[in-house]
Amino acid sequence: NAGVMQNPRHLVRRRGQEARLRCSPMKGHSHVYWYRQLPEEGLKFMVYLQKENIIDESGMPKERFSAEFPKEGPSILRIQQVVRGDSAAYFCASSPGTGRISEAFFGQGTRLTVV
Amino acid sequence: AQSVTQPDIHITVSEGASLELRCNYSYGATPYLFWYVQSPGQGLQLLLKYFSGDTLVQGIKGFEAEFKRSQSSFNLRKPSVHWSDAAEYFCAVVDDKAAGNKLTFGGGTRVLVKP
Repeated sequence: NAGVMQNPRHLVRRRGQEARLRCSPMKGHSHVYWYRQLPEEGLKFMVYLQKENIIDESGMPKERFSAEFPKEGPSILRIQQVVRGDSAAYFCASSPGTGRISEAFFGQGTRLTVV
Repeated sequence: AQSVTQPDIHITVSEGASLELRCNYSYGATPYLFWYVQSPGQGLQLLLKYFSGDTLVQGIKGFEAEFKRSQSSFNLRKPSVHWSDAAEYFCAVVDDKAAGNKLTFGGGTRVLVKP
């Protein structure tokens, strides 16, 4: 029973490039959440998606960041024209779509370094 | 909006000694509370959760937490720490009025275990 899978684990990008982070939720889970952890800080919510729908993107920066969760395949967090301040660990979590509060399971994270 | 405060940024404890990590939340309704642990370079693992019922909650790895509504607290405890407990610990709350299981995290407490 594979957990939440994120790849790559580590990603290095030069300023101005694009970063694509992928997340495959646990089997049977239809809800995906992305969080960002800046150095020496806690996790901050970015976006909540269900299949083909963005439910809550209140934590997403207004520019350069986007997320999707297509009908088939993993959820993607895309950061265009990366800057040094985007360097952080990005975590994906998933939960079942039961409509009730439940535990969220986290992936190992993608550590993005912008040089 | 809800918030979570972890007053202690760092705690150093000797192996075999007891540990208590503080967590205070600000939330109007009954909160759904979680404690997660993050080992260096890893993702988050759920230690325990409180949804309702008994206010003393048992978790994995010998941890427990007590929900105290009057103090808006959900402190984590372990009677005797092991060197492997050195990690960062995050308290979190779910807003049941928001869609899904969106977590608001505290800033974290980093635990160092002395031999």
